[in-house]
Amino acid sequence: GAVVSQHPSRVICKSGTSVKIECRSLDFQATTMFWYRQFPKQSLMLMATSNEGSKATYEQGVEKDKFLINHASLTLSTLTVTSAHPEDSSFYICSAREGDRAIGELFFGEGSRLTVL
Amino acid sequence: GENVEQHPSTLSVQEGDSAVIKCTYSDSASNYFPWYKQELGKGPQLIIDIRSNVGEKKDQRIAVTLNKTAKHFSLHITETQPEDSAVYFCAASRGGGFKTIFGAGTRLFVKA
Repeated sequence: GAVVSQHPSRVICKSGTSVKIECRSLDFQATTMFWYRQFPKQSLMLMATSNEGSKATYEQGVEKDKFLINHASLTLSTLTVTSAHPEDSSFYICSAREGDRAIGELFFGEGSRLTVL
Repeated sequence: GENVEQHPSTLSVQEGDSAVIKCTYSDSASNYFPWYKQELGKGPQLIIDIRSNVGEKKDQRIAVTLNKTAKHFSLHITETQPEDSAVYFCAASRGGGFKTIFGAGTRLFVKA
């Protein structure tokens, strides 16, 4: 199946700093990528939909200035957590949909665990 | 809004037994139903999916059934093994630009 690579897998940062997480589709072009946040023992919470070449669509309650998303190419989307605080500590996961297929199989990255001290 | 309900939240079975996880969805326009397995500290992995024009699909020890009239679908794992222990998520989607809606997850424990 298609491969989505996410980097870094773990990151620890100080409060107030910014952290960038990358999501790459390795063997396919992804018009659309999705960013999720997952709390312990909970389901995936969609944060935003990232569309190549246009602005991301954020879910209700997600601060777009806090979680900056850039989808500059068909194989790369980035999530930047700006001025991170301990409450931003979480497991962040991206997924990608191949091309613009009508039936959208999602392929997930391995996730990035962010710890803000 | 649209939602997917998943049951049970926790399931414990003996190795070799079968495990069944059930989901119901609310959006009647959903036409794609994937199941994901998530191991600790990793991203979800697609294990099987079914489309609305099919009632059942099987892949070795894993099978999925879909009842569009009742808007529910189920995952069946036969001859469970300890390595099947993980969290399983069902999901429903219309495809295209629509969001995929995930269930809350089922934590499966397979006891050796």
